[in-house]
Amino acid sequence: QVQLVESGGGLVKPGGSLRLSCAASGFTFSDYYMTWIRQAPGKGLEWVSYISSSSTYTNYADSVKGRFTISRDNAKNSLYLQMNSLRAEDTAVYYCARVGGGSGYEGDYWGQGTLVTVSS
Amino acid sequence: SYEVTQPPSVSVSPGQTASITCSGDKLGDKYVCWYQQKPGQSPVLVIYQDTKRPSGIPERFSGSNSGNTATLTISGTQAMDEADYYCQAWDSSVVFGGGTKLTVL
Repeated sequence: QVQLVESGGGLVKPGGSLRLSCAASGFTFSDYYMTWIRQAPGKGLEWVSYISSSSTYTNYADSVKGRFTISRDNAKNSLYLQMNSLRAEDTAVYYCARVGGGSGYEGDYWGQGTLVTVSS
Repeated sequence: SYEVTQPPSVSVSPGQTASITCSGDKLGDKYVCWYQQKPGQSPVLVIYQDTKRPSGIPERFSGSNSGNTATLTISGTQAMDEADYYCQAWDSSVVFGGGTKLTVL
């Protein structure tokens, strides 16, 4: 069965950096786009970034453009999110999700999420 | 940038039909999907490509999309359907609605 397991969250000071990882299993990772979505405490879902199956295409929300970098290693079935210049407003649970084949960029499977807290 | 709007809350009695809307300019020209999120859990995809149900999603969940409005309909609503629901569309980037809290009372 499809499994996505995020890791790497934690407490970081404003201006600091963090790298999130997402380990995928149960499907052919290299066949799928992947995406990161976040949810601030008590708030709604916010799309962060997606990456194509071969890393050719990436896209970012304006709120993270220039600070966050999405990447993947298909040999390791892993997705990453490098987050730099972190701000208090980046505090959220970060989910990785597989992008389904419906071409609407829907996340058909989600991980359990990892909490990132940006605070001094 | 593109935006989609949902009502903050919807209430429904058990066994009745719940309708949750998602509005955006020419939304009918885009694919819309819907997620269900219960407290403390990750979102679950319940509708994609406007009308399709993923495997394992009950038939009481259905979707439509036309004009400027997409609608998630839950027929014969059950207590277990109480959750937050989010619509999502794609318009050069992924866009989420603000979410709708469905209360079954």
